Amino acid sequence: GIQVEQSPPDLILQEGANSTLRCNFSDSVNNLQWFHQNPWGQLINLFYIPSGTKQNGRLSATTVATERYSLLYISSSQTTDSGVYFCAGHAGGTSYGKLTFGQGTILTVHP
Amino acid sequence: GAVVSQHPSRVICKSGTSVKIECRSLDFQATTMFWYRQFPKQSLMLMATSNEGSKATYEQGVEKDKFLINHASLTLSTLTVTSAHPEDSSFYICSAPTGTGWWSQETQYFGPGTRLLVL
Repeated sequence: GIQVEQSPPDLILQEGANSTLRCNFSDSVNNLQWFHQNPWGQLINLFYIPSGTKQNGRLSATTVATERYSLLYISSSQTTDSGVYFCAGHAGGTSYGKLTFGQGTILTVHP
Repeated sequence: GAVVSQHPSRVICKSGTSVKIECRSLDFQATTMFWYRQFPKQSLMLMATSNEGSKATYEQGVEKDKFLINHASLTLSTLTVTSAHPEDSSFYICSAPTGTGWWSQETQYFGPGTRLLVL
């Protein structure tokens, strides 16, 4: 199966700062999603982005499928952005639907 | 977005007992659901694929006789942890893709998870 690497593993910011999280894939993916896991464990869908760029408020994401990476941008961070950010994907074919998750980036935003 | 619920949200049981966790898609039908397990400070690991009307498929290393999965309807999948032991304590999360189109283009939505503690 595919391997998913996320960086950085930990990130500490002051409120108002910007950040970039990266996700690298070992092989081509047909499905790529970014999630935020809140302190209660709920995974919140941020983006479905197998390619291209999307924006939603202070968050945006870009996936360069040919180079097998995706970036999540958080601008003007707030304390409520704290939590773990995961990217996940699957390669299609017989593994369709089976998401492989990265190890996550733990984001802490201080007031 | 689509909503997936899980019940119970947390459960504490004695070693040797069985625990059933329900996963429901509330506003869409899901012919397939997925079950994940997450240990503290770790990522999610796929355990099995739940298929409505057929047997579940398990990932390598997951004991199918210990983790029984039943996909009773297009909106309900259950995971039963049989003869639970302390090492089964974990956070169990289900997910379901929306729509019935091409798999690779479907967004998956996750339930809120069930925290299992086996004493």
